[in-house]
Amino acid sequence: QKEVEQNSGPLSVPEGAIASLNCTYSDRGSQSFFWYRQYSGKSPELIMFIYSNGDKEDGRFTAQLNKASQYVSLLIRDSQPSDSATYLCAVGYSNYQLIWGAGTKLIIKP
Amino acid sequence: GAVVSQHPSRVICKSGTSVKIECRSLDFQATTMFWYRQFPKKSLMLMATSNEGSKATYEQGVEKDKFLINHASLTLSTLTVTSAHPEDSSFYICSLLLGDSYEQYFGPGTRLTVT
Repeated sequence: QKEVEQNSGPLSVPEGAIASLNCTYSDRGSQSFFWYRQYSGKSPELIMFIYSNGDKEDGRFTAQLNKASQYVSLLIRDSQPSDSATYLCAVGYSNYQLIWGAGTKLIIKP
Repeated sequence: GAVVSQHPSRVICKSGTSVKIECRSLDFQATTMFWYRQFPKKSLMLMATSNEGSKATYEQGVEKDKFLINHASLTLSTLTVTSAHPEDSSFYICSLLLGDSYEQYFGPGTRLTVT
């Protein structure tokens, strides 16, 4: 069974620090990886996607992919209170479906 | 990305009645849309994949006769919860697939409460 694992948290990070969110996946053949942010009571919002090994940067966000270790991470630099949310990791599966992690709750402390 | 709307955003209905939720793509023609359900403090659960012009594909354990999905155009998919019961109370969210990628863009969700 294909799985995506995330630490449920909560992960508490001081404002201004780097938040590091991690995700592992079971299907070695997966090619597409996504990070979504979900505020309480709201729907998920796509913030990053990555397809190739290495780092991909977008503003304060960096996604890192290591296919050999089946590991994908999201770094948030200069964390702000507005970054407090649940972060969902998702991995592409067949028929364009995504396998979802359970999410990591991130709390940025002022 | 793509802009997706859902209507209604909140609905309260009585047990035994049916509720229709609309999901619209405002700026993109979506061949494929997905319907999810999310219970409080739980992760997303895929209910079905909706393909324009054909029958939806339901996930295991989701009753297709209870959750009717219609994807009659490239910009509209609807989910009808028939004979709703309190245990159907949940947050229902649609998403659309962008082109040939795996990128999904979500609607704002519909919170259903069945009394």
